[in-house]
Amino acid sequence: AQSVTQLDSQVPVFEEAPVELRCNYSSSVSVYLFWYVQYPNQGLQLLLKYLSGSTLVKGINGFEAEFNKSQTSFHLRKPSVHISDTAEYFCAVTPPRGGSNYKLTFGKGTLLTVNP
Amino acid sequence: DVKVTQSSRYLVKRTGEKVFLECVQDMDHENMFWYRQDPGLGLRLIYFSYDVKMKEKGDIPEGYSVSREKKERFSLILESASTNQTSMYLCASSPSINRVSNQPQHFGDGTRLSIL
Repeated sequence: AQSVTQLDSQVPVFEEAPVELRCNYSSSVSVYLFWYVQYPNQGLQLLLKYLSGSTLVKGINGFEAEFNKSQTSFHLRKPSVHISDTAEYFCAVTPPRGGSNYKLTFGKGTLLTVNP
Repeated sequence: DVKVTQSSRYLVKRTGEKVFLECVQDMDHENMFWYRQDPGLGLRLIYFSYDVKMKEKGDIPEGYSVSREKKERFSLILESASTNQTSMYLCASSPSINRVSNQPQHFGDGTRLSIL
């Protein structure tokens, strides 16, 4: 079984500041890793995913994340945030192959609030 | 673009009622999922289905059942609604390619259900 810990439930930042949203996972097998974003009153959208290869992955809206196997982390970063980035962000993991087991395990979410 | 449509954005029901939440996807995806989302708890998987008429329990199936008679439609049923089932419900779908789970899930906009 796997688990995901998002270390900050809320992150307030000022516009144009850099931001890092932290995610650690626990798993006995290798995993695929995802970041999703949820804007107010909407469903979740995929920001980026790590499957294999380069540990730095780039996503939409200027976000990127770095997979660190030794620290079992997958932190999300953006060098300069906008007001429109205000949303809740979810980190998720899934085992690569498991028969019918396509389940994503989600963290509890980090609410990013960008202030002017 | 993948579209996952949930039949209602807001729904108000009474305790003891049988409640149906409907979800339709238009991309011929094999996998479909129902989650509930509560503040501070993130997303928790209720049930998922990897094929027509196939279903598996997620992490919190108690008090719920599901139906998948057609590939594009996945229904969540609250057999006898209770106030602790007041929540946001999210449906998602994903393709199944070689039974590998690297495909992201696509989410509907959610149904905010209130049980009075």
